[in-house]
Amino acid sequence: EAQVTQNPRYLITVTGKKLTVTCSQNMNHEYMSWYRQDPGLGLRQIYYSMNVEVTDKGDVPEGYKVSRKEKRNFPLILESPSPNQTSLYFCASSRTGSYNEQFFGPGTRLTVL
Amino acid sequence: AQKVTQAQTEISVVEKEDVTLDCVYETRDTTYYLFWYKQPPSGELVFLIRRNSFDEQNEISGRYSWNFQKSTSSFNFTITASQVVDSAVYFCALSESQTGTASKLTFGTGTRLQVTL
Repeated sequence: EAQVTQNPRYLITVTGKKLTVTCSQNMNHEYMSWYRQDPGLGLRQIYYSMNVEVTDKGDVPEGYKVSRKEKRNFPLILESPSPNQTSLYFCASSRTGSYNEQFFGPGTRLTVL
Repeated sequence: AQKVTQAQTEISVVEKEDVTLDCVYETRDTTYYLFWYKQPPSGELVFLIRRNSFDEQNEISGRYSWNFQKSTSSFNFTITASQVVDSAVYFCALSESQTGTASKLTFGTGTRLQVTL
């Protein structure tokens, strides 16, 4: 089954404790992206990757890191999480091209205390 | 910079009523793509439709229809004879080209639709 998976689905952590949210897709998509969803703000792009070893900032990259060592994986790293990073995070993938719909993972609900 | 506005934060209707969700966008691109996604209470994002900037034909899929008007920069979504299962948050999104080969989705803030019996 074609899908985007994320782990963990739920995470409660404390300020400053490094964490990684994994994202994996099995559709051989070149493009992958991370979004955060906050009430009243919709989804905002954090980082994106056009292919292996090619990543770039989205609209809200501060406090996040990403890497793309393999085509299927695109982990999101919070090296020192803060309470303002409490949010619902979505990973997405698609074939390259503005016309392609993005396939989203199930979301990761992160709470930083 | 591109922008998507969904002015309706929340809409409540009774089952079988028709409901229209508004979406207004801003972009300087001549080629762009518009999307609608559904987020049911379970939280996942489900793709509903894509429309490119050169195709202003309305589209109908079952109880769903979409009205794209470039003159007013709008891409509205109508659900006919709404059902409880339509209860969800609906997002309109606009795609621009990042370096010409990748897509960045700019989302609206979403409209929460509540359909009651």
